[in-house]
Amino acid sequence: AQRVTQPEKLLSVFKGAPVELKCNYSYSGSPELFWYVQYSRQRLQLLLRHISRESIKGFTADLNKGETSFHLKKPFAQEEDSAMYYCALSGAGGTSYGKLTFGQGTILTVHP
Amino acid sequence: EADIYQTPRYLVIGTGKKITLECSQTMGHDKMYWYQQDPGMELHLIHYSYGVNSTEKGDLSSESTVSRIRTEHFPLTLESARPSHTSQYLCASSPKGGAREKLFFGSGTQLSVL
Repeated sequence: AQRVTQPEKLLSVFKGAPVELKCNYSYSGSPELFWYVQYSRQRLQLLLRHISRESIKGFTADLNKGETSFHLKKPFAQEEDSAMYYCALSGAGGTSYGKLTFGQGTILTVHP
Repeated sequence: EADIYQTPRYLVIGTGKKITLECSQTMGHDKMYWYQQDPGMELHLIHYSYGVNSTEKGDLSSESTVSRIRTEHFPLTLESARPSHTSQYLCASSPKGGAREKLFFGSGTQLSVL
């Protein structure tokens, strides 16, 4: 079974401070990992995926297979980063194929 | 414009009523999904479809049913709504491909059963 854990339900930082949203996963195979974001009154949308090794809006995430983690980081938080962030995992094979499992979500608030 | 549409946006209904939540996408995607989300909680997959005439139950047991008669349409039906069905229902789609494909989400339907 696949599982995603986001230990922090709420995270508050000040503008310009570094931010790290934690995500740990459990999956027996080789996972595909994603971060989705939902801004106020907007739809849930993809922020980034580990396979792309990209930086979106200054955010990066590194897959650490040893620690089974996929933490989201940004060196200097901005007020517009305030949103709900979901870590998600997709299994690469078997019955998990293509189905996303989401974590509980972390509400990030960036104060001015 | 290619998009994924959900209607209604909000629905308040009495116990015992039959309801259908609509989801349509004009992106030509093969895969479609229904997720259920309670406030402040994670999204749970309740149904998915990999193409026409293909439907499967998700990880969270649900009394709802779905159909996929057309590629672009994936409605969800509750034969007899109950207060326990009160939740947000999110529809999503993704292109044909592997586990790396991203999901595109609709705006959701907030269902309240009185």
